[in-house]
Amino acid sequence: DAKTTQPPSMDCAEGRAANLPCNHSTISGNEYVYWYRQIHSQGPQYIIHGLKNNETNEMASLIITEDRKSSTLILPHATLRDTAVYYCIVRVPTLQGGSEKLVFGKGTKLTVNP
Amino acid sequence: GAVVSQHPSRVICKSGTSVKIECRSLDFQATTMFWYRQFPKQSLMLMATSNEGSKATYEQGVEKDKFLINHASLTLSTLTVTSAHPEDSSFYICSARGLREQYFGPGTRLTVT
Repeated sequence: DAKTTQPPSMDCAEGRAANLPCNHSTISGNEYVYWYRQIHSQGPQYIIHGLKNNETNEMASLIITEDRKSSTLILPHATLRDTAVYYCIVRVPTLQGGSEKLVFGKGTKLTVNP
Repeated sequence: GAVVSQHPSRVICKSGTSVKIECRSLDFQATTMFWYRQFPKQSLMLMATSNEGSKATYEQGVEKDKFLINHASLTLSTLTVTSAHPEDSSFYICSARGLREQYFGPGTRLTVT
């Protein structure tokens, strides 16, 4: 799987949008971008994933650049409960023959301030 | 979403004893489960991949005789830390592969005294 680069930490004011960047300049054509988050002392939680089109669900939006070398996870109205470590992972989906392993990098520690 | 449970949520044991951690997929069958370990202020490190009815595949550097994994059914995998030492104290997290995504358990905090 390709490597990703994320800033180690970010701050965001409660109620504002949190924009978390991820660089994946060596991503392959069949690799998807996945986002997970881990709230302190809990297991990781799946957020969203995408290939090349922008995606949105009830938790977040995922914006992938046209060249697919970077992406941004957007939490539109951050709350204190969104304080967590956010992990960006690129991989080929298992159903498409990719490795089942999820390899976690260091992620971004997002702190939402009141 | 799919639910994965772990038991116990935290355990304290004495050095030299063995500890078993259970991971269950509650509302789906998981042919593949994963075990991770996380030390304080570090990221998750994959320890092993567990397939139902077969031997687990361990990552490089993980002692298979120390961390025994059993995946006897489609909803249960167990991790046994044998002859535990203080350096085995960590946060152990399991993950189960569902139809679309991997789902993680809440983790087990192991403290070896």
